[in-house]
Amino acid sequence: NAGVTQTPKFQVLKTGQSMTLQCAQDMNHEYMSWYRQDPGMGLRLIHYSVGAGITDQGEVPNGYNVSRSTTEDFPLRLLSAAPSQTSVYFCASSSAVIAPRGYTFGSGTRLTVV
Amino acid sequence: EDQVTQSPEALRLQEGESSSLNCSYTVSGLRGLFWYRQDPGKGPEFLFTLYSAGEEKEKERLKATLTKKESFLHITAPKPEDSATYLCAVQEGSARQLTFGSGTQLTVLP
Repeated sequence: NAGVTQTPKFQVLKTGQSMTLQCAQDMNHEYMSWYRQDPGMGLRLIHYSVGAGITDQGEVPNGYNVSRSTTEDFPLRLLSAAPSQTSVYFCASSSAVIAPRGYTFGSGTRLTVV
Repeated sequence: EDQVTQSPEALRLQEGESSSLNCSYTVSGLRGLFWYRQDPGKGPEFLFTLYSAGEEKEKERLKATLTKKESFLHITAPKPEDSATYLCAVQEGSARQLTFGSGTQLTVLP
C-alpha cells in the first residue's frame, strides 16, 4: 500500500546514544517533515524538506539532524539522546507545502530515552 | 505567533448523542485549516481542509465549519467507532508547516 513507512516502531536508548529514525514514502511527494508528539502539547515540527537536497528547521530542531538525498527518504538523526527527547515521532509527506489534502502521516516511532 | 486551541480536551458521548468540537485559532492570514483523526498508536489521518470563512465540508457523520476565528467539527449521531482524538491544524499564508492544536479525545459509549 502506498504511504509513509517509519522504522523502527519502538526504540529504547540510553542517554548519550545516537540513532536514526527512518522515513520513506512511495507517493513521489516533494514535501516531507518530522513532528514529535508529546502529551498535552500537540504535534511540533522538528525539521522539514521541500525537495531532495533542501532541508530547514522547524519549531524544535535542537538535538536533531536531517538530510534529504532522495525524494523517497527523509531520515531523522538523534545526535546524543537525552531524556527530553522521549516522545512519539511522526514523519509526514505531501505533494506540496500547501496541500489540499493535507499531509500523509506514518504510524510513528515511540522513543524512550533512559 | 500562531496559536491553535482545541476544546474540550476530552469528551464522552453516548452513542447517538450529537455534539461539536471547537478549534480556535489566531494566525496572520489563514491559508488553510485542517482536521485530522488519530487512533491510538497510529498517525493522524486527514479528514478535511477548509480555506475560507463560511466554508463547510461533510463526511459521513462529520461536518466541519469555519469562521474567521474558529472551526467546529460537528458529530451527528456518533457511533463507538468514531472514538478517537481529533486534531486541528492551521497553515499561515507564508508558513511551510502546520501548527497543531493539542486535540480533543472523543469517546463514544455504546
